[in-house]
Amino acid sequence: DAKTTQPTSMDCAEGRAANLPCNHSTISGNEYVYWYRQIHSQGPQYIIHGLKNNETNEMASLIITEDRKSSTLILPHATLRDTAVYYCIVRVAAHQTGANNLFFGTGTRLTVIP
Amino acid sequence: GAGVSQSPSNKVTEKGKDVELRCDPISGHTALYWYRQSLGQGLEFLIYFQGNSAPDKSGLPSDRFSAERTGGSVSTLTIQRTQQEDSAVYLCASSLGGGLETQYFGPGTRLLVL
Repeated sequence: DAKTTQPTSMDCAEGRAANLPCNHSTISGNEYVYWYRQIHSQGPQYIIHGLKNNETNEMASLIITEDRKSSTLILPHATLRDTAVYYCIVRVAAHQTGANNLFFGTGTRLTVIP
Repeated sequence: GAGVSQSPSNKVTEKGKDVELRCDPISGHTALYWYRQSLGQGLEFLIYFQGNSAPDKSGLPSDRFSAERTGGSVSTLTIQRTQQEDSAVYLCASSLGGGLETQYFGPGTRLLVL
């Protein structure tokens, strides 16, 4: 149960901002939103995560709505190397020290177009 | 610094043979996860190690699958009497601790059972 819904695919022009939406309407108060991406033939790569405040790092920005039912990952200047499948994940914290394994859905396949 | 490494990167085997897959986590990471990813699918959790605690084996699909972690570092996933449905990419991830610590993935081992 991925607990998130994302569009199957998106295109973005090189150099433009890529905005990837995610719905997580059943998110609980103590659950974080994580984003990973997976470039073809590679392992998943961590991008960013947040609880309720917007977050920014060297890779991307994460905008979480006030009700926390949706979020948007923003790649400010997409490059061809950003072509990948992007996964939005709600961390299911079973207990503090337990296996908080990641539930990956099918994600959004982002294609950056030259 | 060095990331998570896995070996071999590719493995082709015949049905019924045993295979061993290796994972070297990031130094200092106490938590280690094994996942598998079938073609075009999301990640399926297999097993979780946290320090010296008993591993969480709840994701192992059958008793043909086992894993160990020696000295709290390197882990080996063993699949006995492989079947064609075992063909997948096997991914290892490590994190500083359990709980909600960010998981960092290795490149995976592509297993093909003929």
